[in-house]
This record gives sequence, C-alpha cells and structure tokens, in this order.
Amino acid sequence: QVQLVQSGNEVREPGASLKVSCKTSGYSFMNYGITWVRQAPGQGLQWVAWINPYNGKTLFGQTFQGRVSVTTDSNTNTAYMEFLSLTSDDTATYYCARGPYCSGPSCFYFYMGVWGKGTTVTVSS
Amino acid sequence: EIVLTQSPSTLSLSPGERATLSCRASQSVDSAYLSWYQQKPGQAPSLVIYGTSSRATGIPDRFSGSGSGTDFTLTISRLEPEDFAVYYCQQYDNSFTFGPGTKVDI
Repeated sequence: QVQLVQSGNEVREPGASLKVSCKTSGYSFMNYGITWVRQAPGQGLQWVAWINPYNGKTLFGQTFQGRVSVTTDSNTNTAYMEFLSLTSDDTATYYCARGPYCSGPSCFYFYMGVWGKGTTVTVSS
Repeated sequence: EIVLTQSPSTLSLSPGERATLSCRASQSVDSAYLSWYQQKPGQAPSLVIYGTSSRATGIPDRFSGSGSGTDFTLTISRLEPEDFAVYYCQQYDNSFTFGPGTKVDI
C-alpha cells in the first residue's frame, strides 16, 4: 500500500537549519508530486511547498520563499525539505503528502491523497 | 493569493444529525481544484472530497460536496461518532491555500 514515512521529531535552536525526509513506497514515485504542509500547535494547515520529482520543478508558499528548499531522490523514492534560519515561529508539525498527480512535467488533480504522520519540529533556545 | 473562509468555526451537533460546512473563496476557484480534508486530534489530515464533489477512496456516501465559483459546501448527512473532527477546505490556483477549518463536535 502507499506509504509516506517521515523522519523523527527534531529540536533546534533559533538560527539553525533542519532537513526532514519523507520516504515513499507503494506507488510510482515519478507520477506524483510531493507537497509539504505545516501545522503550528493548535492552528490550521499552512502550505509550504511542492515538488515534481520528474523535473524537480518547485513551488513555494509566499512565507517560505528563499528560506526553504525541497528536493527528491528518485533512487530511494525519498523527498526532503530543508529549512534555513529557523525561528520560534517555525515550531510546528510538518507533513509530507502525495499529490498532485503528474504526467512528466505536467501536473493535475491538485489535492493530497496520502499523508505522512508528521514530523514535529521544536525551535527553542 | 486566494483566501478561503470557512463557517461556522465550530458546529455542535449530535450523532445522526446533518452537518453543513461552508467554504467561501475570495475569488472564483476552479471546481476541479477544491478539496476537503478531515483531521482528528493527533492525526494527519486525510482526504475526504476532491474536485468539489468526488469522494476519496473509502469515504462513505454520507459525505457529499457541492458548489462552484466562490461558494462550496461539505455535507455530512447523518453524523457518525467517527465524523467528529476538524474539516479543512483547500484550493489550488498556482498556489495551495487552506481554509481555517470547521470543528464538528458533540
């Protein structure tokens, strides 16, 4: 079955960087984008970024442009999200999710059908 | 960026009752790109409805979605105990946005 397994919870000091992984299985990795969404404690969902593994095309939420990078490794079917210059406002649970569906460079069906369990990131001095 | 507003913020109902959740967009949304997610405490969100009205795999037919343009609705015809959760709408228009959520509680 389709699975997205995220790396473990992390604690960082302000100003540090962080890389979260999302290992996928059970489907054709190149046929679906990977979307990253975060949720601050007690808050709603906020879109961070998505990437098309076929060509590495990325799209970022306005808040995260320039501070986040997302990549994929098709050899291991794993996606990564790297955050720079963390602040306490980045304390949140970060989810990876499968979607949208992509056929080569073109993507369709912009929803997230399968989600990882989340990685909780705490930024504190 | 399209802003989504959901109402009400909390819906207090009993099992067996009908739930009607609203999602309003700041500008017109392509119906193909409007989705709904359910999130229970301590869990990741899960897809309920995509393309405004298509149920995701395994979602019972008591869930239905409708709407167009700027107004969309998620209806749960008869609430079951497992339906009490927070529901988020989401749209895509060269960027993803989520609504603030509606909590359906007892």
